[in-house]
Amino acid sequence: GDSVTQMEGPVTLSEEAFLTINCTYTATGYPSLFWYVQYPGEGLQLLLKATKADDKGSNKGFEATYRKETTSFHLEKGSVQVSDSAVYFCALSENSGYSTLTFGKGTMLLVSP
Amino acid sequence: DAGITQSPRHKVTETGTPVTLRCHQTENHRYMYWYRQDPGHGLRLIHYSYGVKDTDKGEVSDGYSVSRSKTEDFLLTLESATSSQTSVYFCAIRESRGGSTDTQYFGPGTRLTVL
Repeated sequence: GDSVTQMEGPVTLSEEAFLTINCTYTATGYPSLFWYVQYPGEGLQLLLKATKADDKGSNKGFEATYRKETTSFHLEKGSVQVSDSAVYFCALSENSGYSTLTFGKGTMLLVSP
Repeated sequence: DAGITQSPRHKVTETGTPVTLRCHQTENHRYMYWYRQDPGHGLRLIHYSYGVKDTDKGEVSDGYSVSRSKTEDFLLTLESATSSQTSVYFCAIRESRGGSTDTQYFGPGTRLTVL
C-alpha cells in the first residue's frame, strides 16, 4: 500500500536559518503530493501541492519539488521565522478512486529568535 | 476557509458511553472524510463518504460508524467509547476544481478524551 516517510523531529533552528524537511513516498500509481501545516491548537492547513513529476509547489516562501526518480517531496524554506514554528505533514493522494490522503507522521519545527 | 465546522470542539466522556461527533459543511462538497490524529501516527483515515448515504471504511474503522443523511452533515459515532479512542478527530472535505488536482481541506478538530 501507499506510505509516506518524513524525517523525525523536532527540528530546531534559529531565525533566518535554512530549512529542509525530508519526505519520501511509496505509491502504486502517480500520486499528487501535499504539504500541510498545523499551528499549535489549530487544524491542518494546506501549505502547497504538486500534481506531477518535476512540478514545484510554493507558498509563503516554502517550496517543494516532486521528484519521481527519488520518490521525494522535500520541503524547503530559505529563511525561517519564529512564526513558522508548527508541525508539518507530508501527504499523498492517488489520482483515482476516492482520493484518500495518506499522511506521514509529521515533523515538528521549532524556530527560536 | 472551506466552510467546515465541527462540534463539539472538546468532549470528555466515560468508557462505554456512546459519542457522536458532527461535521458540517456549507459548500455542497460531495466527498467528506473523518481522520484521527495521534502522536507518532500522523493522521489516519477512519471513514469517508462519497455522497448521501454512500460511505466506506478507512484504515482504522474498527469501533466507529458514520452516517450521512444529507450533503452538509457527516456524523461519526463511537458506539461504546474506549480509552484507545482518546484522540483529536478531524473532518475534511474534498474540493474539486476542473483542471486541477482535488484537494482536501480540514475542519478545526474535536478533542475527545475517554476516561
